[in-house]
Amino acid sequence: NAGVTQTPKFQVLKTGQSMTLQCAQDMNHNSMYWYRQDPGMGLRLIYYSASEGTTDKGEVPNGYNVSRLNKREFSLRLESAAPSQTSVYFCASELDRGQDTQYFGPGTRLTVL
Amino acid sequence: QKEVEQNSGPLSVPEGAIASLNCTYSDRGSQSFFWYRQYSGKSPELIMFIYSNGDKEDGRFTAQLNKASQYVSLLIRDSQPSDSATYLCAVTGSGYALNFGKGTSLLVTP
Repeated sequence: NAGVTQTPKFQVLKTGQSMTLQCAQDMNHNSMYWYRQDPGMGLRLIYYSASEGTTDKGEVPNGYNVSRLNKREFSLRLESAAPSQTSVYFCASELDRGQDTQYFGPGTRLTVL
Repeated sequence: QKEVEQNSGPLSVPEGAIASLNCTYSDRGSQSFFWYRQYSGKSPELIMFIYSNGDKEDGRFTAQLNKASQYVSLLIRDSQPSDSATYLCAVTGSGYALNFGKGTSLLVTP
């Protein structure tokens, strides 16, 4: 039982490049989330998926897209990376949105030059 | 945006003392309250959750909730150097969103 896994752990991009961050959970959770964490800003919600087949914007969605591939997997895509997207990205899952506890993956540290 | 406020610290306590971490929130409809611990370079991990007014104890940790005052706290008894981390308060608001505070840095000195 791995919980929530994320790949890659580290990534360096140049401005304008694209990439996809992968997240998977094996806890049979319905809801999944993408956060970014910046110094002094705390955790901010980018997008979430309350259940398979649905996605919604969070607090800071601009510059990102998401795909809920199936119940286990939720990916985050940066189409044209900008230096302002340098951050640590965490994926989390929860049995049902707002009803339980969120469990976090290990994070992806992204640097955009 | 619903506000969750924490003192950023650092809060420094000697080993063996009680550490008291505080959090206030603005959404009166909030139902669930969580404390996460985050070590430097690691992801947040759940320490405790509390739903009802009063105290909830789990080992050396006690969460306290006062909905009338919109206040939640975490007490750590017999603090250890391994408790040195950032503690995040999180509150589920009336719209089911989980809102995080910016965290309080705790340093336990030997």
